[in-house]
Amino acid sequence: SQTIHQWPATLVQPVGSPLSLECTVEGTSNPNLYWYRQAAGRGLQLLFYSVGIGQISSEVPQNLSASRPQDRQFILSSKKLLLSDSGFYLCAWVQGARGYTFGSGTRLTVV
Amino acid sequence: GNSVTQMEGPVTLSEEAFLTINCTYTATGYPSLFWYVQYPGEGLQLLLKATKADDKGSNKGFEATYRKETTSFHLEKGSVQVSDSAVYFCALSEFNQGGKLIFGQGTELSVKP
Repeated sequence: SQTIHQWPATLVQPVGSPLSLECTVEGTSNPNLYWYRQAAGRGLQLLFYSVGIGQISSEVPQNLSASRPQDRQFILSSKKLLLSDSGFYLCAWVQGARGYTFGSGTRLTVV
Repeated sequence: GNSVTQMEGPVTLSEEAFLTINCTYTATGYPSLFWYVQYPGEGLQLLLKATKADDKGSNKGFEATYRKETTSFHLEKGSVQVSDSAVYFCALSEFNQGGKLIFGQGTELSVKP
């Protein structure tokens, strides 16, 4: 079956610390993968998407970066977190006509 | 560029009331339209979708019709329940643009018994 895993579920990090959030999918190959962020009281903003290994498109300039080292792995990173990086981060992939499947999300609090 | 605009929340209704959450969009091509729901403490779940004009998506008593002439995809339910309390997101996608989902800002619905 096709599943998406995202971890950790919650994370509290100090300002200036690094970040690494991982997302992996199972049961498919060459998926389109996406990172979204939901800031408190706001909607979902697309941060990055990837259509293949090593291919990353950035939607908004920011303190974050993304990488896709393997076909089914998508990583969101930061070298130095800011308070404004707090939010709920969602990984997603497209299942063709079936639409999008979202991971369970990571709630990041930068203190 | 593409965008989605939803009615502002929060929306507070009594149980069995009629629900409408307005959603309008701007797109350059022929997008697919979606409603996602986020229950408290959970991730996003697809509620319904429509892929072309005049299509009606429906699920769990919710309905939305893809109206190209008014560029709208309003969400409706005839009788809401307390368990419908959640945040609802309207979204569009144009698969010839990398399949990106563009979301509205979300509308929080609170249903009181």
